[in-house]
Order: sequence, then C-alpha cells, then structure tokens
Amino acid sequence: EIVMTQSPATLSVSPGERATLSCRASQSVSDKLAWYQQNPGQAPRLLIYDASTRATGIPARFSGSGSETEFTLTISSLQSEDFAVYYCQHYNNWPLTFGGGTKVEIK
Amino acid sequence: QVQLVESGGGVVQPGGSLRLSCAASGFAFSTYGMHWVRQAPGKGLEWVAVISYEGSKQYYGASVKGRFVISRDSSRNTLYLEMDSLRVEDTAVYYCAKDRAPYSGTCIGHWGQGTLVTVSS
Repeated sequence: EIVMTQSPATLSVSPGERATLSCRASQSVSDKLAWYQQNPGQAPRLLIYDASTRATGIPARFSGSGSETEFTLTISSLQSEDFAVYYCQHYNNWPLTFGGGTKVEIK
Repeated sequence: QVQLVESGGGVVQPGGSLRLSCAASGFAFSTYGMHWVRQAPGKGLEWVAVISYEGSKQYYGASVKGRFVISRDSSRNTLYLEMDSLRVEDTAVYYCAKDRAPYSGTCIGHWGQGTLVTVSS
C-alpha cells in the first residue's frame, strides 16, 4: 500500500499569516490527491481534490499543488476557523490511505 | 442536501460482532461509490472499505480484510458494515462517506457525523 507522510505534525501560525503543509507519497499517485480539514468533534470536510481543484464552497485562500509524490496545501491568510487538523489522502489505487495529519494551531 | 446518518455503534466484547448502517438521502445513492472510514480516539483517519456504485466491487484496508464486509441496499438507500472478530484496536468513530462524483472511483466528497464503536471487555 502507498504510505502518505505529512509534515510538519504541528504548525504554529499567527492569524493572517500563510501556512504551508506538505504531503509525500511513497510512490507516484499522479494527481489523485485530496486534502481534508477536520475541526474538533466534527467530521472531515473535503477542501481540495485532484491535487489542485477546490471543492464546492471552499474559499480561494486554500490552494493545492504538486503531482506524483510531492504535494502542498497552502492557506494564504489564516482565519480563526482555519485552525484545525488537515489530512491528505491518495485515491490512485486501492487501498486508499491517509497521511497522519497536520495540526494547524494558533501561535 | 446530502445526508448520511450512521447507526449501530455501541460497546461490544473482543471477538464479538456488530453491524453498522448508514441511511443516505439527498442524492442518487445508486450512482455513488460509498466508503467507511474510521478514527480511533485522538488518532488520525483510517480508510476501512469501499463499495462500488452498483455493488459489484468491494475493497478493504489491510487491518480489516477478512473480518469486515461492506454491502449496500439501493432499494433502501442504505450502506452497511458487518464487523466480525472485533478487536480492541477496532475501537473508533466510524464514518460513512460518499464519493465526490458519481459512477467513478474518486475521493470522498461528503461525510456523515459518525458512530462510535467501543470494543472492550
């Protein structure tokens, strides 16, 4: 199975600043990469699919990039509601696998 | 709007069985692949299983293969997860989720609120 590795595990950022989250796949997943946001006590929410396409209703401050094995989620100017845990997931083949998550916390 | 409502969670002893259900509404259930994803307390997300939109294909994560069975009843717009030989490490919130797009395997586009399964003696 493909192993997804996210870094850093925790990112401390001030409101209004930029956050850059990384996700690495153990082998190529082409552009079959999604990003999800999860707030405490809530279900995850799809942010980005196909590596760089924003899901419906997702603000433009969220952007995704990358292909093959290296991917990035960028939040251009953090808002209070953006402090959460973010997961990447590949869907290139079975089984699907998630990264371990990056917690974005207030600095 | 899309609604996915899980039920069937609870406390079960190691080695026991449990059946989860997910009632779907607000979309054409029979045209979407459906997933189960779990999250152990304080841990990350773990993909469990998927069933194709027509029900002919199922795939499982390594940790549940041979113990869990995913199925669907499109006449009832309901997804199921039959869990046997449960282990303490199966303790988690189990989420029902749907593919983002119809007719093709893709990422998860919508999630239910989850149901808690606790395996303990």
